[in-house]
Amino acid sequence: AQSVTQPDIHITVSEGASLELRCNYSYGATPYLFWYVQSPGQGLQLLLKYFSGDTLVQGIKGFEAEFKRSQSSFNLRKPSVHWSDAAEYFCAVGAFQAGTALIFGKGTTLSVSS
Amino acid sequence: DADVTQTPRNRITKTGKRIMLECSQTKGHDRMYWYRQDPGLGLRLIYYSFDVKDINKGEISDGYSVSRQAQAKFSLSLESAIPNQTALYFCATSPARGYNEQFFGPGTRLTVL
Repeated sequence: AQSVTQPDIHITVSEGASLELRCNYSYGATPYLFWYVQSPGQGLQLLLKYFSGDTLVQGIKGFEAEFKRSQSSFNLRKPSVHWSDAAEYFCAVGAFQAGTALIFGKGTTLSVSS
Repeated sequence: DADVTQTPRNRITKTGKRIMLECSQTKGHDRMYWYRQDPGLGLRLIYYSFDVKDINKGEISDGYSVSRQAQAKFSLSLESAIPNQTALYFCATSPARGYNEQFFGPGTRLTVL
């Protein structure tokens, strides 16, 4: 069965420090992978997406993610975290097939300390 | 103007009441989705529609129904609301072709007393 696992429920990072949020997926076909961010009281905004090609993808707000097929992972990174990055982050997997929808992980809440 | 709008944004209701949440989009997308979000559970799919005549149940459809009135409108109904349907509800859209990238509305916070 398709699934997405975000092992970390809550992470606290100091402002200016680097960040890595983990995402592992289980999917039988070639996956299409997404990271979304949800700021408090807001809807979900797409940070970045991977469909094919270069396994390191760049997104908005200085985020990047690396697709590693051998590890079934799509981890999100940022070299220097800003206080405004405090939010909930969701990894999702989908496929280019009729009759499918995205499968979301349960999310990781990021807190930023000063 | 927002591409995906949801009304109402907040709603408090009582057990047993019928509630309708509405979603409209100006993105011209064929596919529309309803999710609910609960703390620690992420987003779970309630229903999705790939066009006006194609409606499908998601992971947690029990207690919910939907109506796709037009390409741009997708409504979610709770026929008889119960307290465990208290949650944040999101509508999303995606194009018919492509990689299922979804665009989300701002959400409706529903409280059932």
